[in-house]
Amino acid sequence: NAGVTQTPKFQVLKTGQSMTLQCAQDMNHEYMSWYRQDPGMGLRLIHYSVGAGITDQGEVPNGYNVSRSTTEDFPLRLLSAAPSQTSVYFCASSYSRIAGGEKLFFGSGTQLSVL
Amino acid sequence: AQTVTQSQPEMSVQEAETVTLSCTYDTSENNYYLFWYKQPPSRQMILVIRQEAYKQQNATENRFSVNFQKAAKSFSLKISDSQLGDTAMYFCAFMKPFSGGGADGLTFGKGTHLIIQP
Repeated sequence: NAGVTQTPKFQVLKTGQSMTLQCAQDMNHEYMSWYRQDPGMGLRLIHYSVGAGITDQGEVPNGYNVSRSTTEDFPLRLLSAAPSQTSVYFCASSYSRIAGGEKLFFGSGTQLSVL
Repeated sequence: AQTVTQSQPEMSVQEAETVTLSCTYDTSENNYYLFWYKQPPSRQMILVIRQEAYKQQNATENRFSVNFQKAAKSFSLKISDSQLGDTAMYFCAFMKPFSGGGADGLTFGKGTHLIIQP
């Protein structure tokens, strides 16, 4: 059972480049979410989805786009990367937030550097 | 909005000692969930313990236990018989029940770096 899989694990971008961070889960979880972790900070919620076709903003959504076309996948897009987006990104899922589902399963993270 | 405060940026104890990590939070919710996550150098987020606010009994998982004081909005983590493998960042986190009101997820504190000395 793979759980929550994030790719890539590391990425270096130049300012203005675009890229997509991938997140996939094989647990049939309805809820998926993205967090960023900056030095000296806890994780902060970027975007989340309570089911396929439904997404909403978290605490720090600016500069990021998401979509949820399938239950399994929840990609995070940076359309024009900025140095302020240098961070470690985590994807997390749970079976259903609407039905409780407070226990989140985390991926192993993607370390992104924007030069 | 909820806030979570961890007032100890770093702590260091000797192996086999007991250590307590502090966490306070602010919320107007009556029902919610509280968590402690461990993040070792591998970067993986590992759930240590979970507490439901409507349960008065403090949660316990082997060497890990919490002191949940709802009125004081305090949620401390006690690690007994500490081991070298307990060295990690520890994050306190809060989650309210789903309401459809946006920003649904965990609110984290800034973390406490716990070092277990041999």
